[in-house]
Amino acid sequence: GESVGLHLPTLSVQEGDNSIINCAYSNSASDYFIWYKQESGKGPQFIIDIRSNMDKRQGQRVTVLLNKTVKHLSLQIAATQPGDSAVYFCAENFASNTGKLIFGQGTTLQVKP
Amino acid sequence: DADVTQTPRNRITKTGKRIMLECSQTKGHDRMYWYRQDPGLGLRLIYYSFDVKDINKGEISDGYSVSRQAQAKFSLSLESAIPNQTALYFCATSVRASGRAGELFFGEGSRLTVL
Repeated sequence: GESVGLHLPTLSVQEGDNSIINCAYSNSASDYFIWYKQESGKGPQFIIDIRSNMDKRQGQRVTVLLNKTVKHLSLQIAATQPGDSAVYFCAENFASNTGKLIFGQGTTLQVKP
Repeated sequence: DADVTQTPRNRITKTGKRIMLECSQTKGHDRMYWYRQDPGLGLRLIYYSFDVKDINKGEISDGYSVSRQAQAKFSLSLESAIPNQTALYFCATSVRASGRAGELFFGEGSRLTVL
C-alpha cells in the first residue's frame, strides 16, 4: 500500500542549532505535501505546505524541501528553540485539494537547552 | 475559546457501549473530518464531510458512523465500542478554497478508552 514514513522517530538537537526532519513517501502521484506540528496534549497544527511543482518553500524559520526523484520531503527549522519541541508529521494529500491526508508516523523533536 | 471544540475530552467506557464524540466549529468552514491517532502512529482518516449533505468514508470507517447536524457540527459514533477503538480522536476543519484544503484546523482531541 501507499505510505508516508519518517526516517527517525526521535531527533535531539541543541538549542540554537538547525534541525532537519525527514520524510519518505511512496506515492509518486501525490502532488501536495504538508508538515504539521503536534505539541503535547494538543491537536496538530499546520506549519507549511508544498506542491509538487516546487522543490523548496520557505516560511518563518522553516523551510520545506521536496525531492521528487527520490520521493523525499524534509523540514528544516532554523535556530531551533525550546518551543519547537513537539512531534512533527509529514502528510500527503492523496486527493487533490481536499483534507484527505495520509500522515507519516511522526518524529519527536527534543530541544536541549 | 477554541475554534474547533471537541467533547468529551476524555471518556472511559466498556465494550459494547455506544459512544458519541461531538465536534463543533466557529471557523465557518464547510469541510469537517474525523481522524484517529494511535500511539506511535500518524493520524488516519475515519470520515469526512464536505458539506451537510456530503459525507464520505475514510480509510478506517468500519465500526464508526457520523452525523453532520449542521455546518458547524460533526459527530462521530461508535455503535458498539471495542477495545481496539481505544485511541485519541481528532476533529478537523478546512476551507474549500483550492490550494488551502490541505490546511486542517484540529481540535484538541478526545481520548477514548474502551475496557
